[in-house]
Amino acid sequence: DAKTTQPNSMESNEEEPVHLPCNHSTISGTDYIHWYRQLPSQGPEYVIHGLTSNVNNRMASLAIAEDRKSSTLILHRATLRDAAVYYCILRGNAGNMLTFGGGTRLMVKP
Amino acid sequence: DADVTQTPRNRITKTGKRIMLECSQTKGHDRMYWYRQDPGLGLRLIYYSFDVKDINKGEISDGYSVSRQAQAKFSLSLESAIPNQTALYFCATRPSGSNTGELFFGEGSRLTVL
Repeated sequence: DAKTTQPNSMESNEEEPVHLPCNHSTISGTDYIHWYRQLPSQGPEYVIHGLTSNVNNRMASLAIAEDRKSSTLILHRATLRDAAVYYCILRGNAGNMLTFGGGTRLMVKP
Repeated sequence: DADVTQTPRNRITKTGKRIMLECSQTKGHDRMYWYRQDPGLGLRLIYYSFDVKDINKGEISDGYSVSRQAQAKFSLSLESAIPNQTALYFCATRPSGSNTGELFFGEGSRLTVL
C-alpha cells in the first residue's frame, strides 16, 4: 500500500478552521484517500473519503490536489470535541484493507 | 448497544499464557479485521476475513491466529503471549461492495502481558 505522511501534531483555536495536510506522493491512479479520526479512548471513526474531486459532508471537507499527491482535511469550525488523532489513509481499488500510520494529533484550545 | 463488540475490554495476563480476544458484530457485514495499536505507530493490520471461509494475513500476523466462527464473530488468539504483544487491539467490520470503504470499529481491547 502507498504511504502517507502527516505532521505529528497541530494546534487550533476553538471555532476557527483547521487544515490538516497529508502527503501521498506515491499514490496510484485507483487509490482512494480516506480520513479517519480517533477520539480519546475510542476506536477510529470514518470522516470522509475521495478519489479526485473535492468532497464535503457534515463532518468535514476534503480538498485533493490536482496531481493527487497531497490532500487536506478541512474542519470548518473546530470544537473541543474535534480534539483527536486524524489519520490519512490510502485504499487501493483492489485492496480491501486500510493500514493506518501515526496520524496527526489535533489539539483544540478554548 | 454497540454494533461492534469486543470482549474482554481489558485483560492482564502472564507470558506464555493463551489469550483469546473476541469480536462480534450486529451490522451484518461480511468483512472483519483485527488491528493492533501501539503508541505512536497508528494501527497495524493483523488479520482480516472477507467471509467465514476466507482468512488473510495482515502485515503483523506472526504470533497471532484467528477464527471466523460465523459471519458475525471473529476471534483473535495469542497462543503464547509475550510482553511485546502488550497493546490495544481493535476489531473492525465493513460490508463488501461498500461505496465508501468505511470501516466500523469496536471500542478496543487493552491487553497487558507481564
